[in-house]
Order: sequence, then structure tokens, then C-alpha cells
Amino acid sequence: QVKLVQSGAEVKKPGSSVTVSCKSSGGAFSGYSISWVRQAPAQGLEWMGRITPELDRVFYAQKFQGRLTITVDKNTYTANMQLTRLRSDDTAIYYCVRDGGGLFGLWGPGTLVTVSS
Amino acid sequence: DIQLTQSPSFLSASVGDRVTITCRASQDISRYLAWYQQKPGQAPKLLIYAASTLESGVPSRFSGSGSGTEFTLTVSSLQPEDFATYYCQQFDNYPPATFGPGTTVDCK
Repeated sequence: QVKLVQSGAEVKKPGSSVTVSCKSSGGAFSGYSISWVRQAPAQGLEWMGRITPELDRVFYAQKFQGRLTITVDKNTYTANMQLTRLRSDDTAIYYCVRDGGGLFGLWGPGTLVTVSS
Repeated sequence: DIQLTQSPSFLSASVGDRVTITCRASQDISRYLAWYQQKPGQAPKLLIYAASTLESGVPSRFSGSGSGTEFTLTVSSLQPEDFATYYCQQFDNYPPATFGPGTTVDCK
């Protein structure tokens, strides 16, 4: 059964960058896109952006334009999410999600990113 | 972007109760709506998509209805494992996707 395995928790200083990785344990992404969704402490879900590996196409939510970069390594079935110029309100759990045309049917376990001076 | 609202924000219920949550969209999204369940410390789980189609493995006590701008999620007989937070999500003209603010169902 396919699982998404994410990298471990991070603690970052304001102004720095963080990269979270997401590996598909079952191999290829098989026609799916990978989206990133975050959840601040005791808050709701926020969609950040997605990559479609087979098309090398990326789309970012307007809020994150200029700070967010999503890439994929098709050889290792790993997607990466880099967020720059971190602020305290970027503290959140970041989820990678298998994205079937906007349906999020398989979620990674989440990676906690804490931004603190 | 399309905005979603949910009501109520919080709901206290007992095992066996029938529970209904409403999700409203700021514009017509046809049936491009999904529902997710999230328990504390866990990732969300897809319950329903296309407004009323049950995801594989989801108990039949869950059902969804609606189209256009108003949608509902119903749990016909609440079970102990159903106490959780529920989110609606739209994927019309995706991307982007947006989520509702969530409805927390707790034990009365």
C-alpha cells in the first residue's frame, strides 16, 4: 500500500528557510499530483500549492507566491516543499498529500515546523 | 478565490445522535465538494467527494448531499469514533483549493 513518508520536525529562526520532503513509499506518483497543505496550531487547513510530476507543472496559492517552491525528484519519488523568509505565523504542521484533481485521498503524517527566535 | 463557510463551528452530541453539518460556498461550485474528518494528532481523512460519493472504506452512516452553493454532511447515528473535526473543501476550477473553517463534534 502506498504511503507518503515525510521528513522530521524542524525548528527555524525567523527569516530563514525550511525544506520538507515527502517520499512515496510505493514508488511512482502514478499520475497523481502532490499538494502541500498546512495547519497552524489549533487552526484549519490551508492549501499551499501543488506539483504535477508528469507535466513538471507547479501552481502556488497566491498567498505564497515568491516564498514557496515545490519540486519533485522523479528518480526517488520524492517531493520537496521549500518555504523562505519564515515568520512566526509559518509555525504549522505541513502535510504532503496525494492530489487527484483536487481530491486529497492520501495524506502524509505531517511535519511540524516551528519558527522561533 | 472561492470561500467556504461551515455551520455550526462546534456541535455537542451524544452517541446515537443524527448530526448534520452545513457548508456554504461563495459561488456555484456544482458538486465539486469533498468532506474530511480529522482526529486530534492525525492527518485529515477523505470521507466524501463529489458532494455525495462515499470514499472506499467509509462507513455508510456518513452521507453527503447538495450542489451549487449549499452542502450537508450527515452522520446518521454518531459513534464514539466519530467525535472529530470535519472540514469541507471545494475543488471547482482547481487549483486553487480552499477548505472550510471546520466543525468540531464533541461529546455532550
